[in-house]
Amino acid sequence: DTEVTQTPKHLVMGMTNKKSLKCEQHMGHRAMYWYKQKAKKPPELMFVYSYEKLSINESVPSRFSPECPNSSLLNLHLHALQPEDSALYLCASSQADRGRTDTQYFGPGTRLTVL
Amino acid sequence: DQQVKQNSPSLSVQEGRISILNCDYTNSMFDYFLWYKKYPAEGPTFLISISSIKDKNEDGRFTVFLNKSAKHLSLHIVPSQPGDSAVYFCAASGWNSGGSNYKLTFGKGTLLTVNP
Repeated sequence: DTEVTQTPKHLVMGMTNKKSLKCEQHMGHRAMYWYKQKAKKPPELMFVYSYEKLSINESVPSRFSPECPNSSLLNLHLHALQPEDSALYLCASSQADRGRTDTQYFGPGTRLTVL
Repeated sequence: DQQVKQNSPSLSVQEGRISILNCDYTNSMFDYFLWYKKYPAEGPTFLISISSIKDKNEDGRFTVFLNKSAKHLSLHIVPSQPGDSAVYFCAASGWNSGGSNYKLTFGKGTLLTVNP
């Protein structure tokens, strides 16, 4: 089973709203990732959690706030977003066995529209 | 600086024929290469991978070839089927110097269209 689930599938929010994206995996993976993907572009890495600790923040604006409550869950809290933040937000997970090659498995994504 | 390059934005082939998607990379520290398939508005689906210690990996209709000296890899799909029509992303990865993160770098993707 290589399933990563994400909710909601679609989200429309105003610039003053606060919302959260959720991601879950039950593969025992110890690394989880948030990516942002715009149309006709490759996924862009935003954050990496490794063993439930934030290990990479790719200079993402503070209006995006990640949270990893436990090894299976990853949240992305959104506040005061801009219309240019509209994109497909992808969650991924991987085993993160140090010293070994590591395959990332992606969820279906949340299509976010900021009005 | 684009470390993973897919120079063909699109490719069109006939059903039943071979599809060959190409990818070049510049970072010699990459040690693991992956291909993902993506339909519009969905997440990328892992297709096949190859470690840098190998030059070929096969899984059903999909074969990935790696030429380390040329820093080039290719994905062969034989025979191609209309359901294979999607965007294919080449990705490369390797551990950072501290050994704490295994980061994935994507190419820009190639849109494959398989015509019936």
